[in-house]
Amino acid sequence: EVQLVESGGGLVQPGRSLKLSCVASGFTFSNYGMNWIRQAPGKGLEWVAYISSGSSYIYYAETVKGRFTISRDNAKNTLYLQMTSLRSEDTALYYCARRVAPDYWGQGVMVTVSS
Amino acid sequence: DIQMTQSPASLSASLGETVTIECRASEDIYNGLAWYQQKPGKSPQLLIYNANSLHTGVPSRFSGSGSGTQYSLKINSLQSEDVASYFCQQYYNYPNTFGAGTKLELK
Repeated sequence: EVQLVESGGGLVQPGRSLKLSCVASGFTFSNYGMNWIRQAPGKGLEWVAYISSGSSYIYYAETVKGRFTISRDNAKNTLYLQMTSLRSEDTALYYCARRVAPDYWGQGVMVTVSS
Repeated sequence: DIQMTQSPASLSASLGETVTIECRASEDIYNGLAWYQQKPGKSPQLLIYNANSLHTGVPSRFSGSGSGTQYSLKINSLQSEDVASYFCQQYYNYPNTFGAGTKLELK
């Protein structure tokens, strides 16, 4: 069974940093590109970043480019999102999701940016 | 960036009815389009990819169609469990972009 489990969220002050993790199981992690997608409370979905299976291709939304870094450790079956210079508008539920057209999503981890 | 315009924003329909949700892309996305269903408090679930391919395990009453800039999701014979929000996503180009969503309710 494919499972994606996010962690690392919480309450953080504006301007601070936070690192999210997503541990994958039930499939060969190193064979798949992965995404981070977020959803602000009561709002729609916003794609954040994508990393290819071997980390050769990385793309970001303009709203996070230069502040967020997506990475992965295929030996640990883990996807990461390093978030810096956080803003109130980054407050959202962050999902990791498998594949270009995401076929499996985690349950999400909440990030709240507030003073 | 490619803009995705989804309509309607909300929809009320009766059990057994057929409903259609549409997405228009600001440029040709060459069938690089997916549809997702999201129920309250749950993660999105993939329904359709490549504009018209049904994801494994998705009931056949769901179907996708379209090409170029115009795409649609059709739900035949609406069931109570179909009450949810629906989102389209283009993945033809980066940054990937989502439609604003359609909230489907029972009449």
